[in-house]
Amino acid sequence: NFMLTQPHSVSGSPGKTVTISCTRSSGSIGSHPVQWYQQRPGSAPTAIIYEDNLRPSGVPDRVSGSIDSSSNSASLTISGLKTEDEADYYCQSYDTSNWVFGGGTKLTVL
Amino acid sequence: QITLTESGPTLVKPTQTLTLTCTFSGFSLNSSGVGVTWIRQPPGKALEWLALIYWDDDKRYSPSLKNRLTIRKDTSKNQVVLTVTNVEPVDTATYYCAHRAAWSTVFDYWGQGTLVTVSS
Repeated sequence: NFMLTQPHSVSGSPGKTVTISCTRSSGSIGSHPVQWYQQRPGSAPTAIIYEDNLRPSGVPDRVSGSIDSSSNSASLTISGLKTEDEADYYCQSYDTSNWVFGGGTKLTVL
Repeated sequence: QITLTESGPTLVKPTQTLTLTCTFSGFSLNSSGVGVTWIRQPPGKALEWLALIYWDDDKRYSPSLKNRLTIRKDTSKNQVVLTVTNVEPVDTATYYCAHRAAWSTVFDYWGQGTLVTVSS
């Protein structure tokens, strides 16, 4: 089994850019796709990035995803921060039929 | 339009078996590649994947909970049922079901979740 490790919290000012990392403990980050989900308080999660860097319809292009084999991690970048971006963010991947979520990152827009 | 709705008891006693139902519409669980999954979230904590069932009745379980979980589908009723045996207070959580797209590994549609409390 593997784990996905995320920072507990990040923050940024409106209009700025923040990046949330997701480090895979074992196995290559590139071996299976990474998804990112946004969860606002009291709501179910929604997918904002799938297959490492693809955006579902309706997700703005100021949201982007990437992977870095050298650090065995994935990243979610949100530019032009808005107050509506304040939420919890979870990365997710899988291996041998085991789907794993990261511990979540709380994004605060100051 | 794809929708999923979870239902089940809000309160369960320790050692009992929890049975949750996911009723869905807008897709068929007979379609190749499609799956329905269950995920839970204890209050204030992270998401935890539990189980997934595919269109062909193939089933996958979380290694840490495999011995206590059973997932099954009833395609005639458009439902997926998850049972959790021998529940404990640590099983208190909001339980979500979600649709797994046939064309990707993403869980692209989620229900609103149902909060289950385990307490005597």
